[in-house]
Amino acid sequence: RKEVEQDPGPFNVPEGATVAFNCTYSNSASQSFFWYRQDCRKEPKLLMSVYSSGNEDGRFTAQLNRASQYISLLIRDSKLSDSATYLCVVNPGGGADGLTFGKGTHLIIQP
Amino acid sequence: ETGVTQTPRHLVMGMTNKKSLKCEQHLGHNAMYWYKQSAKKPLELMFVYNFKEQTENNSVPSRFSPECPNSSHLFLHLHTLQPEDSALYLCASSQNPSGGNTGELFFGEGSRLTVL
Repeated sequence: RKEVEQDPGPFNVPEGATVAFNCTYSNSASQSFFWYRQDCRKEPKLLMSVYSSGNEDGRFTAQLNRASQYISLLIRDSKLSDSATYLCVVNPGGGADGLTFGKGTHLIIQP
Repeated sequence: ETGVTQTPRHLVMGMTNKKSLKCEQHLGHNAMYWYKQSAKKPLELMFVYNFKEQTENNSVPSRFSPECPNSSHLFLHLHTLQPEDSALYLCASSQNPSGGNTGELFFGEGSRLTVL
């Protein structure tokens, strides 16, 4: 069973639209959750943390559903510059375990 | 610009060669990591160093040998690799292990390795 699972896409979305994608994780004891963004041929960078109560950062909203073990990312009013791969990341247990990454969801914003 | 620099950016080597990847972080972080990124696969954690001590070896074959001489430098020594080891090798650092509560890892741009 995959630890962190995401739909790889690609999601082709017109500029200005709202897009959402989910991620599921297998370890129910996971403690913290994040979305990272990776541009083509670039390194991953932290986009935002995901809190139990849900959190928003500008056009981006992240939500966590512990009961169903999924995390979501919503992007409103999408921009061309949002085109990237979005990586769902889970910290399985804290300490020095390292973060567990999903394969990523490829998003393409079309003009 | 990144606070984590990796060299070389590209490396082509034969299966009998010995080479090393270098990573340096300028962020004053305590933890450093090696990740492997292959096509159509998630990032795979290879090694974790916390305050220069290796705290995790994620079942990595012995043909990969890490070295962390100090908190700012991390090496990955490569020998007798296989073609399936071709991938992007990413170094990362964080203030605390597992990025601490912020979950933030700072990645280098990666070293793209091709094994012939």
